[in-house]
Amino acid sequence: QKEVEQNSGPLSVPEGAIASLNCTYSDRVSQSFFWYRQYSGKSPELIMSIYSNGDKEDGRFTAQLNKASQYVSLLIRDSQPSDSATYLCAVTYNTNAGKSTFGDGTTLTVKP
Amino acid sequence: DTGVSQNPRHKITKRGQNVTFRCDPISEHNRLYWYRQTLGQGPEFLTYFQNEAQLEKSRLLSDRFSAERPKGSFSTLEIQRTEQGDSAMYLCASSRKRMDTQYFGPGTRLTVL
Repeated sequence: QKEVEQNSGPLSVPEGAIASLNCTYSDRVSQSFFWYRQYSGKSPELIMSIYSNGDKEDGRFTAQLNKASQYVSLLIRDSQPSDSATYLCAVTYNTNAGKSTFGDGTTLTVKP
Repeated sequence: DTGVSQNPRHKITKRGQNVTFRCDPISEHNRLYWYRQTLGQGPEFLTYFQNEAQLEKSRLLSDRFSAERPKGSFSTLEIQRTEQGDSAMYLCASSRKRMDTQYFGPGTRLTVL
């Protein structure tokens, strides 16, 4: 079992709809959580970071963290075709290195 | 533009050759990470520097791989005697503090023929 699990998709939503992306992780000592967007052939770019339980909103994006259930999600409201990409969930552990462990990503397609 | 730069952006080499990649982190970031990503997978951690000290290496990093960060500024990742299985995107990231956001460079795509 991978330490960070995501549905690989593809997830397809119509333009203007809400896209919901989910991520579960296996280690209870994880402390920081990140969502990255990655376009094909490009490097990951940060969408959201979340550190404590609850919701965090930034524009059309909302990250939700539930440490007791060990899941983190990303909601994208009013989805646009430009949101079509692979979304990576990353968990950073409370170690000296603070390295991140990534899921394999969920591919989202927003259809016009 | 996140401020992390990597060179070259693409490298095609023949099996058995040595290759070296360079990463220049965001200037005020003292933490630098190398990851490797293959198609359909998320980035996998390779190694980590705090300033010039290499403090952690993944088991993925075989003896053919070596990384340096002289003077705590740019970093280089060298792969000796490349194999076809080394073909991947090599990503560099930097951060200011532990547990902080890691900002990625554009990556170096390596193709080993």
